[in-house]
Amino acid sequence: NAGVTQTPKFQVLKTGQSMTLQCAQDMNHEYMSWYRQDPGMGLRLIHYSVGAGITDQGEVPNGYNVSRSTTEDFPLRLLSAAPSQTSVYFCAVQSFDTTDTQYFGPGTRLTVL
Amino acid sequence: DAKTTQPTSMDCAEGRAANLPCNHSTISGNEYVYWYRQIHSQGPQYIIHGLKNNETNEMASLIITEDRKSSTLILPHATLRDTAVYYCIVRVVWTGNQFYFGTGTSLTVIP
Repeated sequence: NAGVTQTPKFQVLKTGQSMTLQCAQDMNHEYMSWYRQDPGMGLRLIHYSVGAGITDQGEVPNGYNVSRSTTEDFPLRLLSAAPSQTSVYFCAVQSFDTTDTQYFGPGTRLTVL
Repeated sequence: DAKTTQPTSMDCAEGRAANLPCNHSTISGNEYVYWYRQIHSQGPQYIIHGLKNNETNEMASLIITEDRKSSTLILPHATLRDTAVYYCIVRVVWTGNQFYFGTGTSLTVIP
């Protein structure tokens, strides 16, 4: 988890509320992404960005917005939270060095009531 | 969609080698095999990756069959801290393609 931070660690929302999950990196990598992980399941890609000003949708983008104004930050916005968005959210940064691997943040556990 | 098939769960005795299999029969020539693991709901952690040659690093060894349709991740001396979910992923490198995580193999290391 080196260099990738996520805030908050835990969050409880009511249905219809909005919030922003923060992701920041100090690794100066261009590629960042957001995943969600539901109980007993693997990770599913929500949105990703290949650089500042460029974003694209992943597998499950509905209900989420992203923007990328700087290399360091990639916030994920929930516009109107729904119980189906209860999940653990992971931010990842991708290195295009010899390993071409992703480094994950510690996650945000979100509950929508 | 995930292009790999892994057993749902496995056990391994502490100190013994853990051999985790993965089938990827539809792998294409430019796709690499990656392994990640996730310990107790932490963020996934990179382990190793390879194209066709066997690979080894400080964490594990990766054995890829000659036809590249399957591979095995080997943890040479499993410890209790290796208890985790292990994901096998195939993808093309240097493209920014997303990593498709399936449900992985839940490895339990038994004392």
